[in-house]
Parts: sequence; C-alpha cells; structure tokens
Amino acid sequence: DAGVTQSPTHLIKTRGQQVTLRCSPKSGHDTVSWYQQALGQGPQFIFQYYEEEERQRGNFPDRFSGHQYPNYSSELNVNALLLGDSALYLCASSLVSQETQYFGPGTRLLVL
Amino acid sequence: AQSVTQPDIHITVSEGASLELRCNYSYGATPYLFWYVQSPGQGLQLLLKYFSGDTLVQGIKGFEAEFKRSQSSFNLRKPSVHWSDAAEYFCAVGNPDDYKLSFGAGTTVTVRA
Repeated sequence: DAGVTQSPTHLIKTRGQQVTLRCSPKSGHDTVSWYQQALGQGPQFIFQYYEEEERQRGNFPDRFSGHQYPNYSSELNVNALLLGDSALYLCASSLVSQETQYFGPGTRLLVL
Repeated sequence: AQSVTQPDIHITVSEGASLELRCNYSYGATPYLFWYVQSPGQGLQLLLKYFSGDTLVQGIKGFEAEFKRSQSSFNLRKPSVHWSDAAEYFCAVGNPDDYKLSFGAGTTVTVRA
C-alpha cells in the first residue's frame, strides 16, 4: 500500500520564477492538504483540496495556488518566487470523513 | 483560533532513560490532538492521535500520550529511549470546525549513549 508520494524531492529556482510541486495521496484517500515548513519551524497550513475544489486556505498570498485532479492527485504552484519561499513543502492526504492526515516526504525548495 | 505551544526547543536524554515532551494547546472545546515525528530530511510520521474517550493513548514505537483537559496539555512519553528516537517531534491540533492542523514549533530530541 503506497503512502503519500511527492515530486520532485529537491528543487532550485531563482527569484521571480514559477514552480510546480506534485503530490499523490495515499491509496483510498480523497483529500489533499499542503503545508510549508521553514527551517527550524513547524509546518504552516497553505490550503486543502477536496473534490477538485479548494476547501480551506491558510494565510498565504495568491501567489500560492493549487489544483486537484479527478484521481485525487494534487499540484502546488508558486508564482513570482521570493527568497522567503525557500522551505520544505509537505503534502498530506486524508479521507474527507476522517481527521487524520498522513504526510509525504516533502519537496525541498531553494530559491536563490 | 487554535494554537499549540511546545515549551522545550531541545531535550537531551541518555539512551535507556525516560522521555517526556510537553505540549500545550489553545482551543475552546475538545480538540483533535496529534504527535508527529520527523527525522532529518524526512516528512512527518504519525506517532499517535487523540479524538475522544480514554485520555491515555498508545502509539507506535512505544510512545504514549495523555490528554489533560484541565491543563490543556497533551504530553508525549516513552519509558526507555533508543538511539533511533533522536528526531524532531511536533505536536499538532485540529478541530471539528476546521480542516487544517496547527503545529507547534517542535522539540528536537538528542539521545546520548
């Protein structure tokens, strides 16, 4: 039973560029959440997707956007990258009827 | 709004000794509570969770946690630590009216031989 997978594992971009991160949920899960974890901090909620719609959003600017596909996989897009966007981006999946979120290994983004 | 405080940034413990990590939450009603562990360069692994019922919950790897409503706490314990328990530990809170998890800043555990 595959867990949550994310790609790529590492990414280096320059300021102003755009990036897309991908996530496949745990088998049987229908809900995907994205978190940003800056160095030395706990994860911060970006948004959650269910039924291909953004269900809730955290305190992140519109430069952060997402998408969920019919197979429940998801993308996180960040436009106009800033140095401060350098972080570990974590994807978590869950069942809409349950509260427990299971995390993937993350994508480490470095913005130069 | 919900929030979590982990008062201890770093704890060093000897192998075989007991471990207790503190977690205090802020939420008006009974929250959902979680402990996750993160090894260097890795994602988060769920150790245990509390939704309702018995206030002492057992998790994986020999960990347990106790929910104390009067103290707004959900402390994590392990009776005997192994070197492989060296990692960062995060307490998180959720609630029935919200979809997000709110995390504490984490506690780094170092295990000395």
